[in-house]
Order: sequence, then structure tokens, then C-alpha cells
Amino acid sequence: DVQLVESGGGLVQSGGSLRLSCVASGFSVGTNYLSWVRQAPGKGLEWLSVIYAGGSTYYADSVKDRFTISRDNSKNTLYLQMNSLRGEDTAVYFCARDRLSGSDGAFAVWGQGTMVIVSS
Amino acid sequence: QLVVTQSPSASASLGASVKLTCTLTSGHTAFAIAWHQQQPEKGPRYLMKVNSDGSHIKGDGIPDRFSGSSSGAERYLTISSLQSEDDADYYCQTWGTGFRVFGGGTKLTVL
Repeated sequence: DVQLVESGGGLVQSGGSLRLSCVASGFSVGTNYLSWVRQAPGKGLEWLSVIYAGGSTYYADSVKDRFTISRDNSKNTLYLQMNSLRGEDTAVYFCARDRLSGSDGAFAVWGQGTMVIVSS
Repeated sequence: QLVVTQSPSASASLGASVKLTCTLTSGHTAFAIAWHQQQPEKGPRYLMKVNSDGSHIKGDGIPDRFSGSSSGAERYLTISSLQSEDDADYYCQTWGTGFRVFGGGTKLTVL
């Protein structure tokens, strides 16, 4: 079965750092396009970052220079390093996979999410 | 700049049909979109991809009650024979090189 499972969320103080993980099964992270998406309490979905199969990375303006997306092919895991966290980063964080890497950016596979709470 | 617009809310009666709309900014009318469903307290679920020509590709296990279509800059999700479990938020998503973007979502209430 194709599956994504996030972990690493928790309570962190404003200005702190946290690293989220997303373990993939049923496919290889190294040959797929993977994104991080978040949802603040009571709000809609917000795309944050994507990593392409070739290694190129892109970010939303809201997290550029603070968050870093990466992957470890040997562990089949996607990561999101979050630095300089603010209250507005409080959200559920999801990882998601493109339907067809390189040609179809529909998020056809979603994880269940991990909650991050930033306290002031 | 590509913006995706959705009505904040919609409602329809149990057993009826409803058509949700996702509007792309002018100049981006050739873009495909995806529809995602998010039931209360759950993560999003991929429903289908809708192309500019109205063709659509559904996710595994998505019932035939769900269908997609297009007209110009608008992409539609039609749900027929509404059931209580269709009471959920529905998000439109599109993409391009180096970006992915969501609409604000439509909260569907099944009466």
C-alpha cells in the first residue's frame, strides 16, 4: 500500500526549531515529487514547500529562509526543518505526494498529519 | 499571479445533487486542478484531477457519485445522491513549476 506517515510535531517555544519527518511506504521518495502542506486551526490548506525527484526545492514566501525541505532516500523519509518558529506557524502539518512526478502535481497521496504548537 | 477562488460555503439536501465551483485567474484557464475532501477532524483525501477539457481522473475508491467538469476558467465538482458523509470541506488545488496552490475551500453542509 502507498502510504505517508508524519511524526515529529509537538510544543515548541517561539523562536525555537523543530524537524518533522514523513516516512513513505509503497514508493520511493527519491523518484517522486513531495510537498509539505499545513492547516492552521479553523483555516484552509496552505502549501509550504516541494522537493522534486532531481532534488530541486521550492518554498512559499511565508516560510522561505526559515524552513528547509529535504529527504533521505536510504530511509525513504521526507523532512521539514523549521527554524525561527512563530505563533502563526501553529498548525497541523501534512506531507503529500504528486500524482505523477514531473507531469501531474495533484496531491494524490496524503499523510494523516502531525500537530505543531508554537507558544509565546 | 495564479489565484484559485472558491465560494466559502454551500448546502444541499440529503439525496440531492450539488455543484461546487473552483475559478482560476484569467490567463491560467488551461490549468488542471485537483479536488480534495476533508471530513471533520480528518486529513485531506484526493478525489480527482479535472483537466481544462473537462476530463477527470478519480482517486482509488471514489464513488461514481462524484464527477468533475470544466468550462473556461471554472472547474466543477458535482456530487449526486448526497449522503451525510459528504458533509465536509472541499479544496481545489492547482500547480505549476515550483509551486502548488490551494483555493480557500468550500464548506458543504448536507441538510
